[in-house]
Amino acid sequence: DAGITQSPRHKVTETGTPVTLRCHQTENHRYMYWYRQDPGHGLRLIHYSYGVKDTDKGEVSDGYSVSRSKTEDFLLTLESATSSQTSVYFCAISERTSGNTIYFGEGSWLTVV
Amino acid sequence: EDQVTQSPEALRLQEGESSSLNCSYTVSGLRGLFWYRQDPGKGPEFLFTLYSAGEEKEKERLKATLTKKESFLHITAPKPEDSATYLCAVLPMGAQKLVFGQGTRLTINP
Repeated sequence: DAGITQSPRHKVTETGTPVTLRCHQTENHRYMYWYRQDPGHGLRLIHYSYGVKDTDKGEVSDGYSVSRSKTEDFLLTLESATSSQTSVYFCAISERTSGNTIYFGEGSWLTVV
Repeated sequence: EDQVTQSPEALRLQEGESSSLNCSYTVSGLRGLFWYRQDPGKGPEFLFTLYSAGEEKEKERLKATLTKKESFLHITAPKPEDSATYLCAVLPMGAQKLVFGQGTRLTINP
């Protein structure tokens, strides 16, 4: 158990609505990530954070924003959900002192109809 | 461009039939290579980290090895519970972002 809690675990939403996924960690790790996983594409990085209020884009950041106001929480927001954002979203954490190993949460399944 | 290629895409084995999964990588400098196991409906579960060529790590029926161009995940006398998708990822030097391969879907038949 990597001490990561994602919520909600499952959500169905309508096109055009905003959606926020939450990642909460109990490990006090500095780095937090949001990935999406899709058939044929594997795991792709959306955004990551290297500290409170410090975030950067990954390879598929369009249509997504993130915020990190506390070490333990990393929020992913879809400003206006589209069907192409139907996916499973994984939060992950890492710390240099643990050999840079990245640990993943259990995932949030999002369906945009 | 940093790249990771895993082969085969899918592999079916009989229980007890040993085999290897391959992870070929291209990076400007390697900070670490990671193996994960992912079961359906679950997040990737960390297995191993390898840092330098020649390094080996073992866990139960799994052994991971690393060269300058590729890593192998050897599975010895597998059991049905070893069925999963195995993911390989590299952490390039100077980066804090993993580059993942597509994964190998392993099925062990009883």
